[in-house]
Amino acid sequence: ETGVTQTPRHLVMGMTNKKSLKCEQHLGHNAMYWYKQSAKKPLELMFVYSLEERVENNSVPSRFSPECPNSSHLFLHLHTLQPEDSALYLCASSQEPGQGYEQYFGPGTRLTVT
Amino acid sequence: QKEVEQDPGPLSVPEGAIVSLNCTYSNSAFQYFMWYRQYSRKGPELLMYTYSSGNKEDGRFTAQVDKSSKYISLFIRDSQPSDSATYLCAMSERNQGGKLIFGQGTELSVKP
Repeated sequence: ETGVTQTPRHLVMGMTNKKSLKCEQHLGHNAMYWYKQSAKKPLELMFVYSLEERVENNSVPSRFSPECPNSSHLFLHLHTLQPEDSALYLCASSQEPGQGYEQYFGPGTRLTVT
Repeated sequence: QKEVEQDPGPLSVPEGAIVSLNCTYSNSAFQYFMWYRQYSRKGPELLMYTYSSGNKEDGRFTAQVDKSSKYISLFIRDSQPSDSATYLCAMSERNQGGKLIFGQGTELSVKP
């Protein structure tokens, strides 16, 4: 595996379900990010982790719960989501947060909330 | 007013054309300016970045930043069908810990 990988690639869940998105980076980077990409909207930064410590929480609802157990893995735990949360969720990594302009993205998880 | 404005297109050009993609912004503290390319069903990939004002060239791609006008551009020369993708501009302030502000993205189609 190379670069940034994300699983699953597609997810359909009901509003009462609990699921998790997984991201893994194979680049030796120290910073990881979660973004939300909705149709016709700019990418929205959700969370930033630096060396497993959360350094940014961009006013994201508590139904999204991130977890970073080590510098290579990032999870996004989902519970009691709303239909408007349907979107492409992208994970990214960079060498350091201070060099965050050069971010490497995974292919994303297409989430549909029914 | 959005922090970063980008015409969503779609933009359709014939192969070999020169393509101009643009973004305007309102935050004068932005110092880093990036262009990402996103193919269908893929994540964005960094195409070019520029620090502060000026031009940067990489093969068929040229990025320009005019901080006085708060305007950035990406030019693609001799466009190819493989350039068909969505192009996202992104910006950040200095020492902002990777907090990128993205434009909406411009969908480009290059016809053979």
